[in-house]
Amino acid sequence: DVKVTQSSRYLVKRTGEKVFLECVQDMDHENMFWYRQDPGLGLRLIYFSYDVKMKEKGDIPEGYSVSREKKERFSLILESASTNQTSMYLCASSFYGETYEQYFGPGTRLTVT
Amino acid sequence: ELKVEQNPLFLSMQEGKNYTIYCNYSTTSDRLYWYRQDPGKSLESLFVLLSNGAVKQEGRLMASLDTKARLSTLHITAAVHDLSATYFCAVSVAGNQFYFGTGTSLTVIP
Repeated sequence: DVKVTQSSRYLVKRTGEKVFLECVQDMDHENMFWYRQDPGLGLRLIYFSYDVKMKEKGDIPEGYSVSREKKERFSLILESASTNQTSMYLCASSFYGETYEQYFGPGTRLTVT
Repeated sequence: ELKVEQNPLFLSMQEGKNYTIYCNYSTTSDRLYWYRQDPGKSLESLFVLLSNGAVKQEGRLMASLDTKARLSTLHITAAVHDLSATYFCAVSVAGNQFYFGTGTSLTVIP
């Protein structure tokens, strides 16, 4: 079974703090993704990576950065957290194959106060 | 900009009834995905539809894809309470990048 894990299920941070969200997958997948999920907006792609040290902006990259130093690990960084970044953050991974199916982690609910 | 629209957004149905959730998308794609999300949980893959006319069934759920109409349907047969969840469709572009619909929140009432 594919396993995607995220470092925290719940996180509370203060405005202006630097926040690190970490995602690890154990299936040697090439592709990794960070989404945020907000009510009524579905899932929106923040960044994705198709290889180590490679990254591509998604639809809403502003205020975020990412790091992929190892194939299994993809980090999302909020350089200076703001209240409008309060959200559920979901990590996913996929491999190059027939389906490109994405497998999701359990999510991190981040609250910025 | 690619758009993926689901309707209805909210669905309350009685146990034993049938209903269909619709997913329309605005650009060419031959891969469509259905996911389920329970409250407070992550997304679980239900179906992957890879070609025009594809139909897949699992239990009381059946998904189909019409790439010419840019439409996928998720049909629920004889709903039971355990099917209460939020259902998302997603379309892939260039293989890698997914675009998700806003989700359909389904409540099955006894």
